[in-house]
Amino acid sequence: GENVEQHPSTLSVQEGDSAVIKCTYSDSASNYFPWYKQELGKRPQLIIDIRSNVGEKKDQRIAVTLNKTAKHFSLHITETQPEDSAVYFCAATFNDYKLSFGAGTTVTVRA
Amino acid sequence: NAGVTQTPKFQVLKTGQSMTLQCAQDMNHNSMYWYRQDPGMGLRLIYYSASEGTTDKGEVPNGYNVSRLNKREFSLRLESAAPSQTSVYFCASSVTNEQFFGPGTRLTVL
Repeated sequence: GENVEQHPSTLSVQEGDSAVIKCTYSDSASNYFPWYKQELGKRPQLIIDIRSNVGEKKDQRIAVTLNKTAKHFSLHITETQPEDSAVYFCAATFNDYKLSFGAGTTVTVRA
Repeated sequence: NAGVTQTPKFQVLKTGQSMTLQCAQDMNHNSMYWYRQDPGMGLRLIYYSASEGTTDKGEVPNGYNVSRLNKREFSLRLESAAPSQTSVYFCASSVTNEQFFGPGTRLTVL
């Protein structure tokens, strides 16, 4: 199956700064890469995704980039706010529609 | 639209007891999934169902069984619970790639 590695495991940023989380995957057939945000005690919720035919996608303060050759993709959060504090998971598809998740990054935004 | 619902929210079991976690979705999705979430390990796929009447093993199926009762419902059964099955369990459903998660069941096995 797919192996997804995510770094860093924890990230502390000053409010207003940017946060970057990086993931690598192993299956060259993977074609869908979602990012989920999970607040404490809540369910994971999709915040942005990217497909393999696109190199970059942006939605307000968040953006995702994909490098298929290198098999890595990244989440960028600009102008971080306290409500961005959460655990973020990257994922990649394997065997068509199943997802393999990274271990998660705990982001803390300091006021 | 309730989305994906799960019952119960919390459960404490003794080693060797059995129980069934229930999941239902009202989005008419074909595919449904069961994950477990442990600290520092992300979400790991236990079982999935591509469509009504089909189920298949995921990454960590040992100690679990599933039933796709109909298109809406997908249950997860622990026949003889073990402390290693203490975890938070999430059900999810999808029609394409995007998966929608339920609120989770926090299970403790003593």
